[in-house]
Amino acid sequence: NAGVTQTPKFQVLKTGQSMTLQCAQDMNHNSMYWYRQDPGMGLRLIYYSASEGTTDKGEVPNGYNVSRLNKREFSLRLESAAPSQTSVYFCASRPRQGAADTEAFFGQGTRLTVV
Amino acid sequence: AQSVTQLDSHVSVSEGTPVLLRCNYSSSYSPSLFWYVQHPNKGLQLLLKYTSAATLVKGINGFEAEFKKSETSFHLTKPSAHMSDAAEYFCVVSGQNFGNEKLTFGTGTRLTIIP
Repeated sequence: NAGVTQTPKFQVLKTGQSMTLQCAQDMNHNSMYWYRQDPGMGLRLIYYSASEGTTDKGEVPNGYNVSRLNKREFSLRLESAAPSQTSVYFCASRPRQGAADTEAFFGQGTRLTVV
Repeated sequence: AQSVTQLDSHVSVSEGTPVLLRCNYSSSYSPSLFWYVQHPNKGLQLLLKYTSAATLVKGINGFEAEFKKSETSFHLTKPSAHMSDAAEYFCVVSGQNFGNEKLTFGTGTRLTIIP
C-alpha cells in the first residue's frame, strides 16, 4: 500500500520555467491538499480539493494552479517559477469531505529549488 | 477562522528527562487537534489526535497530549526523552464543520535531545 506518492522528489528550475508536481493516493480518499513548507513558517496551504471536481484556494495560492484530474490524482502547476517558490512541497489526503476528525496522510515531499 | 500557536520554536532536553511542547489554538468551532512529527528530510507522521472524546490522548512512541478547553491548549508531553525523539513537531487544528475541514499548522517546534 503506497499511500500518497509525489513526483518528482527533487527539482531545480530556472526562473520563468514551468513545471507540474504530481500527487496520487491509493486510499480512495476524497479530500486532497497541497502545502509548502518553509523554515520557521510551518506548512501553509496552497490549494485543496474537498472532493473530485472541486478545488479551493488556501492561504498562499498566488503563482500556482491545481488540477484534480480524478479521485486519485491532484497536481500542482507552477506556470512561471520564481525564486520565492523555492520550498518543500507536500501533498496530503484525507478520507472524505467533512471528516474533520480524521488525520491527513502525507507524501514524502518534493524539494524544489528555483534559481 | 482557526489558528495555532506553538509557543517554543526550539526545545532542548537531556535524554531521559521529560518533554513538554506547548500548543495553543483558536477556533470558532469545537476543533479537532493533531500532533505530527517530522524527522529530518522525511514526510509527516501522525503522533496523536483529539476528536472530542477523551481529553487525555495517548499516541505513538510514549507521547500524550491533554486537551484543555478553558486554556485553549493542547500540549504534547513525554515522560522520558529518547535520542530518536529528535525531530520537528507540528500542532495542527481542523475545523469540525462540513466544508471547513482545512488543516492549519503551527510553525513547528524543533526538539533537540542532549546525550
